Amino acid sequence: QKEVEQNSGPLSVPEGAIASLNCTYSDRGSQSFFWYRQYSGKSPELIMSIYSNGDKEDGRFTAQLNKASQYVSLLIRDSQPSDSATYLCAVIISSGSARQLTFGSGTQLTVLP
Amino acid sequence: DTGVSQDPRHKITKRGQNVTFRCDPISEHNRLYWYRQTLGQGPEFLTYFQNEAQLEKSRLLSDRFSAERPKGSFSTLEIQRTEQGDSAMYLCASSHGQNYGYTFGSGTRLTVV
Repeated sequence: QKEVEQNSGPLSVPEGAIASLNCTYSDRGSQSFFWYRQYSGKSPELIMSIYSNGDKEDGRFTAQLNKASQYVSLLIRDSQPSDSATYLCAVIISSGSARQLTFGSGTQLTVLP
Repeated sequence: DTGVSQDPRHKITKRGQNVTFRCDPISEHNRLYWYRQTLGQGPEFLTYFQNEAQLEKSRLLSDRFSAERPKGSFSTLEIQRTEQGDSAMYLCASSHGQNYGYTFGSGTRLTVV
C-alpha cells in the first residue's frame, strides 16, 4: 500500500463546476496535510494546508480532513480553465527518525471552457 | 527574499559524467529538502538538512549521490557517473518547521543522454 494515494484521473469538469479531488493516507499519526498545484513543466505550489478535522476554506478552495477515515479532499468551486493542472496531495509522515512530506502521484484536472 | 532558488534550470549531460546542482533556500528557513520527480509521479524524498546537518537520506539516494549544506545556507546535490535513469526533475524545498508546508524552487531538469 502506498503511503499517500490519489485517483490519478484524468478528471475533466466544465467551467463553473465543482471539482472534487480525493486522497487517502496510511499513517494514522499524521497531523499535517497539504494540497499542491503543479502546472506542466513547473514546480509544485502550495495552495492549502489543513491540520484539524473538518473543512477549511480559502477563496474558491475548500480542504476537508477526516482523520478517522484517513481521508483528505480538495474542492474547487467555480472551476476556471486556469485551474487546469496536476493536484498533489501531501502528508507529513514519519520515516525513520525524521518526518517529511510524502506526496501522492497527483490527479490531473482539466477544466473545459 | 524571493523564495527558493535553484541553478541550473536545465542540464543535459552525457552518461558517466558528474553533475552538481545548487539550491538557495528561503533565508529564514532552517530545513532544506531535496526531492526527485519523474513524469507522471509525485515528488520523491531524497534527503533533508536541518541547518548544516544531513538528518535523513532515502534509500533512493544511491552512493553515487551526495548532498552538502555547508554553513547551513545553500546546498549542493552531486550525482557521480550519471545514468539514464537519473533523468528527472530535481526539486529543492525549504521550511521553517517540521510540520509546515514546504516551499519549492523551480527545479533543475536533468537529461542524461
